[in-house]
Amino acid sequence: NAGVTQTPKFQVLKTGQSMTLQCAQDMNHEYMSWYRQDPGMGLRLIHYSVGAGITDQGEVPNGYNVSRSTTEDFPLRLLSAAPSQTSVYFCASSYDSRAPNYGYTFGSGTRLTVV
Amino acid sequence: GNSVTQMEGPVTLSEEAFLTINCTYTATGYPSLFWYVQYPGEGLQLLLKATKADDKGSNKGFEATYRKETTSFHLEKGSVQVSDSAVYFCALIPSGYSTLTFGKGTMLLVSP
Repeated sequence: NAGVTQTPKFQVLKTGQSMTLQCAQDMNHEYMSWYRQDPGMGLRLIHYSVGAGITDQGEVPNGYNVSRSTTEDFPLRLLSAAPSQTSVYFCASSYDSRAPNYGYTFGSGTRLTVV
Repeated sequence: GNSVTQMEGPVTLSEEAFLTINCTYTATGYPSLFWYVQYPGEGLQLLLKATKADDKGSNKGFEATYRKETTSFHLEKGSVQVSDSAVYFCALIPSGYSTLTFGKGTMLLVSP
């Protein structure tokens, strides 16, 4: 089925470990982004990309890295996990970053716990 | 800066009651406005949108009108169902930009 696929769905990490959250879309969307969702905080933008090879920081980028080598994939890397990164992470994509009329398509999320 | 303010929840209603969830925004120019819904354990789904002043977005019985003069985009439904229980997010994309800014979300609980 077409859409945004996130893996894994659940993950427990120890403090200091590294991991990559995967995000893939098969809709040929230009724009991709990562959000984290925390209770009482809504969704906050971590990083985004307007096309392959182009990334930029959002509201809360510290502790996270991204790259966009293909149109389809936009992985989020945690280099040294901290308990403050315990959250639910959502990947979202959009057809054209210059045409927000299309809205965004969200993945089903990755629930990350750092102990 | 750009921001979205939503009424705090939870909003608790009986089935068939009228729903209003308030949303106001701060942004320069003419942003596009959205309502997203998140059902338990799921990601966000686009519920409706409006891209210019006085536009009315509608879907599944929900409506919201883009009011530039009051910088508001309130969500309404005439008769809620138990299946409408979810968290609702108001969001905007500023004119000329591509990033979504979300409100904190409002939980709706509908009882039979």
